Amino acid sequence: RKEVEQDPGPFNVPEGATVAFNCTYSNSASQSFFWYRQDCRKEPKLLMSVYSSGNEDGRFTAQLNRASQYISLLIRDSKLSDSATYLCVAGRENAGNMLTFGGGTRLMVKP
Amino acid sequence: EPEVTQTPSHQVTQMGQEVILRCVPISNHLYFYWYRQILGQKVEFLVSFYNNEISEKSEIFDDQFSVERPDGSNFTLKIRSTKLEDSAMYFCASSVTGVGETQYFGPGTRLLVL
Repeated sequence: RKEVEQDPGPFNVPEGATVAFNCTYSNSASQSFFWYRQDCRKEPKLLMSVYSSGNEDGRFTAQLNRASQYISLLIRDSKLSDSATYLCVAGRENAGNMLTFGGGTRLMVKP
Repeated sequence: EPEVTQTPSHQVTQMGQEVILRCVPISNHLYFYWYRQILGQKVEFLVSFYNNEISEKSEIFDDQFSVERPDGSNFTLKIRSTKLEDSAMYFCASSVTGVGETQYFGPGTRLLVL
């Protein structure tokens, strides 16, 4: 079983649409969670950290459910510039802060 | 805005050769990491480094790999005898502290082993 699992997509949506990505993690020792964004052949860049209380950053909302080991990302009012691969990431401070990445979900926003 | 830098951006080498990938982490960061991403696959953790020693390493990080912080600014990854399967993008990352902190990634070195 993959440690962090995501639907690979692609999700093809029109501009202005709302899109939701889901992710599950299997290692209950994971302590911190993030969504990173990766453009083609570029480095991962932090989109946002994810907390159990839920957190929002502009058009982006992330949620963590520790009981079901489930993480979500909601993007409202999609822009063309949101087209990228979104990486669900779990961190373990008791293992050298290693980050475990999901395979990514590809989003393509069309005009 | 401070950023992690990596050199070279691309490296082509022959199987069996040694390569050294270089990184300059963000200056006030204390934790350093190497990850790799084989083309079309997910990002994989290699090693974390703090206080001049390895904190954690993955199964990928075998005896062929080593890391070093030779001075106050550089952080290097050495592959002693490259294999074809070492071809990948190698990302360096750094964070201020460890606990739940954001890791900032460099632009990567694309390594091709022929």
